[in-house]
This record gives sequence, C-alpha cells and structure tokens, in this order.
Amino acid sequence: QVQLEESGGGVVQPGRSLRLSCVASGFTFSTSGMSWVRQAPGKGLEWVALIWYDRSNEYYGDSVKGRFSISRDNSKSTLYLQMNSLRAEDTGVYYCVRGKPVWEPFYHYLMEVWGQGTTVTVSS
Amino acid sequence: QSALTQPASVSGSPGQSITISCTGTSSDVGSYDLVSWYQQHPGKAPKLMIYEVTKRPSGVSDRFSGSKSGNTASLTISGLQAEDEAEYYCCSNAGSSAYVFGTGTKVTVI
Repeated sequence: QVQLEESGGGVVQPGRSLRLSCVASGFTFSTSGMSWVRQAPGKGLEWVALIWYDRSNEYYGDSVKGRFSISRDNSKSTLYLQMNSLRAEDTGVYYCVRGKPVWEPFYHYLMEVWGQGTTVTVSS
Repeated sequence: QSALTQPASVSGSPGQSITISCTGTSSDVGSYDLVSWYQQHPGKAPKLMIYEVTKRPSGVSDRFSGSKSGNTASLTISGLQAEDEAEYYCCSNAGSSAYVFGTGTKVTVI
C-alpha cells in the first residue's frame, strides 16, 4: 500500500537550517507530484510547497518563499524540504503528501495520501 | 493566499445530518471545481474524504457528500456517527501552482 515516511524533524534555533526527508513506497513516485503541508500546534493546515513529478516546476507558499526549497530524487523515491532561516512560526508538524496527477480542467495534482508527519520545533 | 473561511465548530446528534461551509473567492473556490475535504482525528494525519467538489475516494462512506455554489463549498455528513467526530478542512486549488486550506471545523457528536 502507499506509504510515506517523513524524517529529519527536531529542535533547531532560530536562523538555523534543517532538511526534512520523505521516503515513498507502494506507488510510482516518479509520476506523482509531491507536496509538503504543515500544521502549527493547535492550528490548521498550511500548504508549504509543491514539486512536479519531473522536477520541472516548484511552487511555494508566501510564508516560506525564498527560505525553503523543495526537491526530489526519483531514483531513491525520496522527497526533501530544505528549510533555511528558520523562525519560531515555522514550528509544527510537517506532512509529506502524494499528489495524484489530474489533467482536467488543467494539469494539477490532487493531494491524496499523507504521511504521518515529522515535528519541527524552532526555539532558542 | 488567504485561508478559506469555515465555521469553527458544528455539532449534531447521532443519526442527524450536518453541513460544513467553506467560503473562498472567485480566485479559488469560485474558479474551479477543485475543492477537496479532509478529515483529521487528533494526533493523526489528514484523510481525503471528498475531491473535485462531489467525488468520493474508494472506501469513503457515502454518508459524506459535497457540493458547491459560487464561492462557497459544503460538506454534508448524513447519519452522523461517533467516529465522525474530528476536524474537517476544505482545500481549493488556486490555479495549478498553489493550494489554499480552510480554517478548519471541529465536528462534535453530542
């Protein structure tokens, strides 16, 4: 079955960097768009970033643009999120999400399957 | 990208029907029939319940249904059950390059 396993979370000081990983199995990773979605403690969901199946396009939420970078290695079925210049408001659970490709009304991805998440705490 | 607006909480008795609204703008909810709904139990990952406004993934109960009118989408849960008690989030594509989530609605079965 589809499995997404995130790792790399932890406690980090403000201004420092952290890299999250997500290993995928049970589906064809190389044809799926992949997203990161986060959830601050006691708060709602916030989309963070999306990368197309072939790495041709990357998109970011306004709050992380210029600080975070999404990437993938299709040979390893692994998704990454490089987080730089971390702030206290970046604290939360980060979920890796499989995007099912959909062609109508335009090419896009349905956020379909979620991993269990990894926790990032930004604190001095 | 402003969050879509949902009521903070909705409650109902077992067997009743409840409806959760999700209000956006003409740039997201109103532009495309690409609204999804996710269920999240405490401490768990979200689960896809509805996509493209009205479609249910395999395995999701037909007690869950979706609709949309203008800039507002809705999720209806019929025959409310104790296991439906959870947080529910709507989500809309904002073009092919972004997503926006709703503020979340806590459903309580009283």
